[in-house]
Amino acid sequence: DVKVTQSSRYLVKRTGEKVFLECVQDMDHENMFWYRQDPGLGLRLIYFSYDVKMKEKGDIPEGYSVSREKKERFSLILESASTNQTSMYLCASSLLSGLNSPLHFGNGTRLTVT
Amino acid sequence: AQSVTQLGSHVSVSEGALVLLRCNYSSSVPPYLFWYVQYPNQGLQLLLKYTSAATLVKGINGFEAEFKKSETSFHLTKPSAHMSDAAEYFCAVSDQGNTGGFKTIFGAGTRLFVKA
Repeated sequence: DVKVTQSSRYLVKRTGEKVFLECVQDMDHENMFWYRQDPGLGLRLIYFSYDVKMKEKGDIPEGYSVSREKKERFSLILESASTNQTSMYLCASSLLSGLNSPLHFGNGTRLTVT
Repeated sequence: AQSVTQLGSHVSVSEGALVLLRCNYSSSVPPYLFWYVQYPNQGLQLLLKYTSAATLVKGINGFEAEFKKSETSFHLTKPSAHMSDAAEYFCAVSDQGNTGGFKTIFGAGTRLFVKA
């Protein structure tokens, strides 16, 4: 089974802090994704990456950046955390085999910015 | 850009009753569609996917979905609800990225409540 591991389950940070959310997958998947999940809005794509050092903006990239230095690891960075970034963050991975590849998700990181 | 719309943010059924969760898609090309389920305090897991091989797709836990091109719909059903089906359900569609990758776009989700 594919395992996608997010480093923290809960995180509390202060406004203005730089925040790193880490995600690691163990199945050699090419694609990795960061979503945020908010009630009534479903999952919104922040950034995704289909190869090492490659990244593409999703629907809501403002205030975020990402890093993919190794195939198995995809980091989400909040350069200066703000209260409107309080949310559940979900990492996912998939094979680069086409549009029919399903996503495999981690259990999420619930971030609170105070 | 492709998108999906889920009708109804909350659905409540009695145990043993039919479950029907609605999803409509918007796509200019044949879509790749998915249903995912999220149990409390967990990430999402795949229920089923449509890849044009058959219009009726069977998934895990007794769920199935029917692709109807004429109605641009991909509704999720289960003949008899069980208490353990209480969860949030997401419809999703795959789309091509701008620089070579693929991405998945999700609907807003439908929370299913099952009454004893």
